[in-house]
Amino acid sequence: SQQGEEDPQALSIQEGENATMNCSYKTSINNLQWYRQNSGRGLVHLILIRSNEREKHSGRLRVTLDTSKKSSSLLITASRAADTASYFCATDAAGTYKYIFGTGTRLKVLA
Amino acid sequence: GAVVSQHPSRVICKSGTSVKIECRSLDFQATTMFWYRQFPKQSLMLMATSNEGSKATYEQGVEKDKFLINHASLTLSTLTVTSAHPEDSSFYICSAFKGGVSNQPQHFGDGTRLSIL
Repeated sequence: SQQGEEDPQALSIQEGENATMNCSYKTSINNLQWYRQNSGRGLVHLILIRSNEREKHSGRLRVTLDTSKKSSSLLITASRAADTASYFCATDAAGTYKYIFGTGTRLKVLA
Repeated sequence: GAVVSQHPSRVICKSGTSVKIECRSLDFQATTMFWYRQFPKQSLMLMATSNEGSKATYEQGVEKDKFLINHASLTLSTLTVTSAHPEDSSFYICSAFKGGVSNQPQHFGDGTRLSIL
């Protein structure tokens, strides 16, 4: 399977703490994306990082990409209860528009 | 931003029924749409790639005759689950991709929860 893996599978933190999720993938990519999914809903795009980029920021989100290790991390700073959701990384299959999703991290932020 | 509408959001029906799910891109033309299936607490599994004006490309293990996909216009793709059985119960999500532009995100519908009794 080409599916990426994320760790941890589940993460529970207190409000105000930082949350870090990691994603590993198997093939060469053009870009890697992070998505958020609230329970029973569709996915919301958070950040796209290109293969030639190493770090990207968007508000309280920070994404890093290490193509030599085929891994990425998503950091959410100063977490809020509303950040509670599942987070998925997705990588594009080389030469296509298809995206392979990671196994996901279920984040719970306790108020 | 781009909006994708998926309908219906929930379907409960008897075994043997065929169910059609619609995915519409509301504010952009989508040359490519994707259909995913998601089991509880699991990731999204790509079922097929829907291309406007041509046949869908199915992933390995997905039955073409079971999951019929039609992408008749640049704003609408439909997934029909034919003769659905309880094992087809799942959360189905579509996404739309503008196409022709590299390094763009997919825009997702809100999903359809299908329950077959």
